[in-house]
Amino acid sequence: KAGVTQTPRYLIKTRGQQVTLSCSPISGHRSVSWYQQTPGQGLQFLFEYFSETQRNKGNFPGRFSGRQFSNSRSEMNVSTLELGDSALYLCASSLAGGSSKTDTQYFGPGTRLTVL
Amino acid sequence: AQSVTQLDSHVSVSEGTPVLLRCNYSSSYSPSLFWYVQHPNKGLQLLLKYTSAATLVKGINGFEAEFKKSETSFHLTKPSAHMSDAAEYFCVVSDGGSQGNLIFGKGTKLSVKP
Repeated sequence: KAGVTQTPRYLIKTRGQQVTLSCSPISGHRSVSWYQQTPGQGLQFLFEYFSETQRNKGNFPGRFSGRQFSNSRSEMNVSTLELGDSALYLCASSLAGGSSKTDTQYFGPGTRLTVL
Repeated sequence: AQSVTQLDSHVSVSEGTPVLLRCNYSSSYSPSLFWYVQHPNKGLQLLLKYTSAATLVKGINGFEAEFKKSETSFHLTKPSAHMSDAAEYFCVVSDGGSQGNLIFGKGTKLSVKP
């Protein structure tokens, strides 16, 4: 089975621009979660989508948004980029997601976003 | 609220010696606990998980962890370190329910000396 894939792997943007990141989950997985990883804050949960609905959301501003398609692929969008948005954005997929504490999340390689 | 504390930000061992990475958790519920590893410029790979079955959990690459409720600990161990074990390790808690996301520790960077 193919793993979680994320595109693009690297991205450079300037302040004020917007960006869209893509995540394709493992086949059969219906839950996709997004995380932001920075040296200062570590790994932080952004949001989770399950069956095209946002089920959980972390403590991030409204500039961060996402969606999920009927094939479970997910996109994450960040508008009006700030320097502090520079980070590794990780996507994870699982069968049931946050509703099951025993569910396992499998991570993609991440998209490295640099904001200049 | 759930949280995890990784007690060491950096651990250095010699190849062939034991590895101990310490993690304490806090959870209002009976948690699930995970250890993930991240090699440089790579995503996170699951090492092992505890979901209230056996308290001693065996994972990949010779790693294991023991869930100790009385000590609220979930330390990761390996009898003999290998150079390829050098990476960052994250202890993670999940309790599902309404929050439904993973809470990560700050990470422990493991260095392995030849």
